[in-house]
Amino acid sequence: EAQVTQNPRYLITVTGKKLTVTCSQNMNHEYMSWYRQDPGLGLRQIYYSMNVEVTDKGDVPEGYKVSRKEKRNFPLILESPSPNQTSLYFCASRSSTGNTEAFFGQGTRLTVV
Amino acid sequence: AQSVTQLGSHVSVSEGALVLLRCNYSSSVPPYLFWYVQYPNQGLQLLLKYTTGATLVKGINGFEAEFKKSETSFHLTKPSAHMSDAAEYFCAVTSNSGYSTLTFGKGTMLLVSP
Repeated sequence: EAQVTQNPRYLITVTGKKLTVTCSQNMNHEYMSWYRQDPGLGLRQIYYSMNVEVTDKGDVPEGYKVSRKEKRNFPLILESPSPNQTSLYFCASRSSTGNTEAFFGQGTRLTVV
Repeated sequence: AQSVTQLGSHVSVSEGALVLLRCNYSSSVPPYLFWYVQYPNQGLQLLLKYTTGATLVKGINGFEAEFKKSETSFHLTKPSAHMSDAAEYFCAVTSNSGYSTLTFGKGTMLLVSP
C-alpha cells in the first residue's frame, strides 16, 4: 500500500529539548516536504527536498532542520523547540514526473511547553 | 509566484443542499489544481485534481470542480450535501515547470446540519 508514515503521532515536549519527527515514504518519490498547519493559516511549507542530499527552505523554515540521506526518509529536526512551534505537522511526498498528486502522512501533533 | 485564495473560512449547509466551496488562484504558468479534504484527526486526502484536458473534473464522494482559466477559479461543488461531508477542505496549486511548490489556501470548514 502506498503510504507516507510519520512518527510520532503525538508529542509533548519542553522548551529547548531537541526532537526529531520521522517521515518515510514507500513510493520512490523524489519530492518530499514538511508543512505545519495552524488554525486560520492553512498549511505552510517548512522545508522541501527535490532528491537525496537536495533540500531547501520553504516559507517558514526558522527553527527547523531537515536532512535527506536516503530517498525514502525525510526527518524534521527541532534543535531547540519553542512554544511557537506548537502545531500540527505533515510530511508529504510526490513524484517529480507525471502525476503530481501529493501524498500526506497522518500528521504529528506537537506541543511545546 | 503562486497563491490560492479560498473565500469563506466556514461554510454551512443543510443536508441535501448544494455545496459550493470557492477557490481562486494566481499562477504565472499553467497551473495544476487540487482539492484535498481533511477529516478530524486525519491527514489530507485527495478529492480531485486538474492537470490538463477536460476542465470539469470529477472526484470522490460525488464532488466535482471546474477549471475556469478566464476567472482563475477552481470552485468545488457537490449537488447534495451529506452529514459525512463535514470536514475541512483545502485548495492547492502547483505547476509542471520543474520543481514547483504545492501552495495551499487557508482552508474552508464545511459544516452540515440535519
